Formats: sequence, C-alpha cells, structure tokens
Amino acid sequence: AQSVTQLGSHVSVSEGALVLLRCNYSSSVPPYLFWYVQYPNQGLQLLLKYTSAATLVKGINGFEAEFKKSETSFHLTKPSAHMRDAAEYFCAVTQKYGGSQGNLIFGKGTKLSVKP
Amino acid sequence: KAGVTQTPRYLIKTRGQQVTLSCSPISGHRSVSWYQQTPGQGLQFLFEYFSETQRNKGNFPGRFSGRQFSNSRSEMNVSTLELGDSALYLCASSNGTGEWSAQHFGDGTRLSIL
Repeated sequence: AQSVTQLGSHVSVSEGALVLLRCNYSSSVPPYLFWYVQYPNQGLQLLLKYTSAATLVKGINGFEAEFKKSETSFHLTKPSAHMRDAAEYFCAVTQKYGGSQGNLIFGKGTKLSVKP
Repeated sequence: KAGVTQTPRYLIKTRGQQVTLSCSPISGHRSVSWYQQTPGQGLQFLFEYFSETQRNKGNFPGRFSGRQFSNSRSEMNVSTLELGDSALYLCASSNGTGEWSAQHFGDGTRLSIL
C-alpha cells in the first residue's frame, strides 16, 4: 500500500525567506510523486511531478523538489517566498499498474502562510 | 485550451436526497477521476473512468457511483445523502495512456447536506 505523510499542517514564513514543505512517502514499488497547490475556493494545480527521470524536479512559480529514495522523501522548496505563495500544498503519490494512472494518494496538506 | 469544467459549483441538498455532479474533461483527455475533499479526511479517491469503463475504485460505499460518456464527460451520483457527504468533490482529467500524464483538476462542486 502507498501512503504520504506531510510534516506540519501549518508553515509560516516571512516574505523573501526560504520555503520548505516536507513530504515522505511509502511505496513498495517505484513511485510517481507530485506536488499540487490549492488556493481558496479552487481546485488543485500541479506544481511539479517526479516520474523516475531527474531526481531534482523544477516546477512552476519557482518551486522545486528533490526525490531522495534513501530517505523516501520528496520535499518542496522555494528560495524566496512571495505573498502569492500563501495556499495549501498537497503531496501525492501513485504508481503505474495495469495501465491505471488515475488513483492519486494525497497527504493531509500543508497550509503555507507568508508574512509581509 | 479549456480546462476541466465542473457543474454546478455549489449545491445544497437534504438528507435522503440524491445528487448528480457533472465533469467535462480537457479536450482529448480520456481518463476522468473523482475525489472527495473534507476537512477531516482530506482528499480521497472515489473512482476513475477511462473510455466509458470504471478502471479503478476507492473505498466508498455503493451509494457513490459514476459513469462516463462517449465524449469522455463524466457524472457522479450520490444516493441517499448523509450529512457526512458534505464535501468538495473534485474531478480530474488526464490523457490516461502511455507515459504518465498529470491529472488536471477542476474547481470542484461544493456539496452541502442539511
């Protein structure tokens, strides 16, 4: 079975500071990993994905994540936070089996606040 | 390219009623997945449809059902509504074949049960 753990339900940073959102996964087979962002009253927007190519993945809005198999982690970072980054972030995992790709397992989410 | 469209955006029902939610995927996408989002349980997978066939199913009771039409549009139905069914229901579409393609989400239908 697969699972995702996001450490910290709330993270607060100052504008311009480093953003680090933590995600650890559990999977018995090589995983596909994702980070999504959700703004209030909206759906989920894909930030980036890891699908067994480069371990350092660059996404939109200046975010990136590094896949570390030895640590079963896929932490999300951004060098300098902006006010518009305030949102809820979700880490998700899936695996390709039998042609089915439509079953994402999500973490509980981390709400990011950015202080001016 | 138009995104994933979910209708309606908001819905209020009472216990015991049934409801149908609609999802129009991105043009060319053949896979549609449904998720339930609640403050307590977070985001949970309901089911996935691909080429009009249910390909994968989450751990939800039989009151939750869905279908997909030949144009890839999908509907989900919830019968005998319970208070606990109040949630944001999200639909996501993807190519569904070959190398994994990202799921693109709609803005959801917020269902409130009174």
